[in-house]
Amino acid sequence: RKEVEQDPGPFNVPEGATVAFNCTYSNSASQSFFWYRQDCRKEPKLLMSVYSSGNEDGRFTAQLNRASQYISLLIRDSKLSDSATYLCVVSHSGSARQLTFGSGTQLTVLP
Amino acid sequence: DVKVTQSSRYLVKRTGEKVFLECVQDMDHENMFWYRQDPGLGLRLIYFSYDVKMKEKGDIPEGYSVSREKKERFSLILESASTNQTSMYLCASSPNRGNYEQYFGPGTRLTVT
Repeated sequence: RKEVEQDPGPFNVPEGATVAFNCTYSNSASQSFFWYRQDCRKEPKLLMSVYSSGNEDGRFTAQLNRASQYISLLIRDSKLSDSATYLCVVSHSGSARQLTFGSGTQLTVLP
Repeated sequence: DVKVTQSSRYLVKRTGEKVFLECVQDMDHENMFWYRQDPGLGLRLIYFSYDVKMKEKGDIPEGYSVSREKKERFSLILESASTNQTSMYLCASSPNRGNYEQYFGPGTRLTVT
């Protein structure tokens, strides 16, 4: 079983739609959680950290459910520029400095 | 602005060649990492380093070695390149503070023929 599992997609949605991605992780000792974004042929970049209380950054909302070991990302009012691969990332149980990456969920926003 | 640079964007090598991939960061980060990224497998950690001259094996270290002689530089070495090492190689660095966000270089696409 992979440590971090994501639906690979692809998700194809029209502009303005709301889309949600989910992710599960296997190690209950993980302490830090993130969503990274990777554009085609580019390097991953941090989109947002995920906190137990849930957090929002503009059109993006991230949620963490520690009991279910589940992380989600909600994107409202999708823009063409949101097209990318979204990586669910979890810190290693032994060290917060080491991260484990999911394989990513591909999103295409259509005009 | 954090900058992580990698020596080459594209590299083509022959089987059996020794390959050096260089990574340099300019933000005085303590931690540096080498990953490879393959379709369907995501990013997999090869080696990492938390300090100069320190190195630790990641999840897939076989066939690779690393060197960290200076804080800003972390090199990945393929002692004898093989075709199954054809991949995208990504270097990252992170500070020992905050949420340990990792900053990535642009990647090196290595093809071994």
